[in-house]
Amino acid sequence: DTGVSQDPRHKITKRGQNVTFRCDPISEHNRLYWYRQTLGQGPEFLTYFQNEAQLEKSRLLSDRFSAERPKGSFSTLEIQRTEQGDSAMYLCASSPGLAGAKNIQYFGAGTRLSVL
Amino acid sequence: AQSVAQPEDQVNVAEGNPLTVKCTYSVSGNPYLFWYVQYPNRGLQFLLKYITGDNLVKGSYGFEAEFNKSQTSFHLKKPSALVSDSALYFCAVSAVSGGYQKVTFGTGTKLQVIP
Repeated sequence: DTGVSQDPRHKITKRGQNVTFRCDPISEHNRLYWYRQTLGQGPEFLTYFQNEAQLEKSRLLSDRFSAERPKGSFSTLEIQRTEQGDSAMYLCASSPGLAGAKNIQYFGAGTRLSVL
Repeated sequence: AQSVAQPEDQVNVAEGNPLTVKCTYSVSGNPYLFWYVQYPNRGLQFLLKYITGDNLVKGSYGFEAEFNKSQTSFHLKKPSALVSDSALYFCAVSAVSGGYQKVTFGTGTKLQVIP
């Protein structure tokens, strides 16, 4: 049984460059979430997919951020023209498609982004 | 709007002693509450959840949590702490918002178990 996997684990980039992260959810989970976590804070919601549809986006997700989940399997999160304020841990989580608020979200190990 | 407060940034406890990590919440409707643990450079791991029923919820690694509706609290407890319990603990509240499961996390409490 494989859990949620994220790639890369670490990314160092220069300000202004574009970066892309990948998340592979647990195979039978149709719901996928992206969160951002900064030092001393809990994860903050960025966006949510149900299958291939992106159903919710946080105001934290500026127009430099875009996420996709083609075919409802893996997902990518792209940040264009990175800024130093984008430095954070980006976490992906997946959950089964049960209705309501009772689902456990299963998290990947995260991608730590450092923007120099 | 839903929110979670973890009033302690850090909790220190001696190995073998009982531990408590505090959490209070605010949410409209029925509360669905979770505890997650995070080890360094790792993602969050689910510990336990409260949905309904018994106010004392048992979870992984000997942890339990007590739901108190009148105090809107969901404190995490363990009768005897281990050094390996040292980690960052997050309380979370979940509700349906805009048709999806919205989970709001607290800021986390660092648990340090001293040998």
